[in-house]
Amino acid sequence: ETGVTQTPRHLVMGMTNKKSLKCEQHLGHNAMYWYKQSAKKPLELMFVYSLEERVENNSVPSRFSPECPNSSHLFLHLHTLQPEDSALYLCASSQGTDIYGYTFGSGTRLTVV
Amino acid sequence: LAKTTQPISMDSYEGQEVNITCSHNNIATNDYITWYQQFPSQGPRFIIQGYKTKVTNEVASLFIPADRKSSTLSLPRVSLSDTAVYYCLVGDSQNQAGTALIFGKGTTLSVSS
Repeated sequence: ETGVTQTPRHLVMGMTNKKSLKCEQHLGHNAMYWYKQSAKKPLELMFVYSLEERVENNSVPSRFSPECPNSSHLFLHLHTLQPEDSALYLCASSQGTDIYGYTFGSGTRLTVV
Repeated sequence: LAKTTQPISMDSYEGQEVNITCSHNNIATNDYITWYQQFPSQGPRFIIQGYKTKVTNEVASLFIPADRKSSTLSLPRVSLSDTAVYYCLVGDSQNQAGTALIFGKGTTLSVSS
């Protein structure tokens, strides 16, 4: 365990479904991130939260909706996804000052059918 | 974060030493060099960071020449379990909270028996 826990580990959903991904960190970090990693592609930054406020939305479609209710929890709400949204979704947290201090979760493998 | 260039892929055999070089010509005075490792279907994890000369830990060594325009990650006596993608990142150690890591394609290391 890295200290960043993501659930579920695997998710299969239809294009009309609504689901949520959850991320929880117990490291006392003050920033959290969502990344998307499609097959054989680099990690793509999706959202950044710092001190529970969204500071960056990297041109992500509105069918992805993040929520950060407190500094320990981060959600990614999904609705009307497309098959091309199938990917590994990774959550990370940091204390925000050092690039070695980023801790990633194990990810949620999402398949949209 | 400064732009970095590293080989797309490398192949090695068990027991060999592997050296992965990263170019970062535009590195700034306050920038540190950090390497992350990512196994399949997992999030990246920090392995080593340095500013100049040589840094060694239980996993790897990092060699940085005096001009700091490049760096070399050295993995001694690799095993099959070292098969992963290795990312080189360069950035200021005093980033503001919520400064996200931007990953390139990394170097895919394949270790064979």
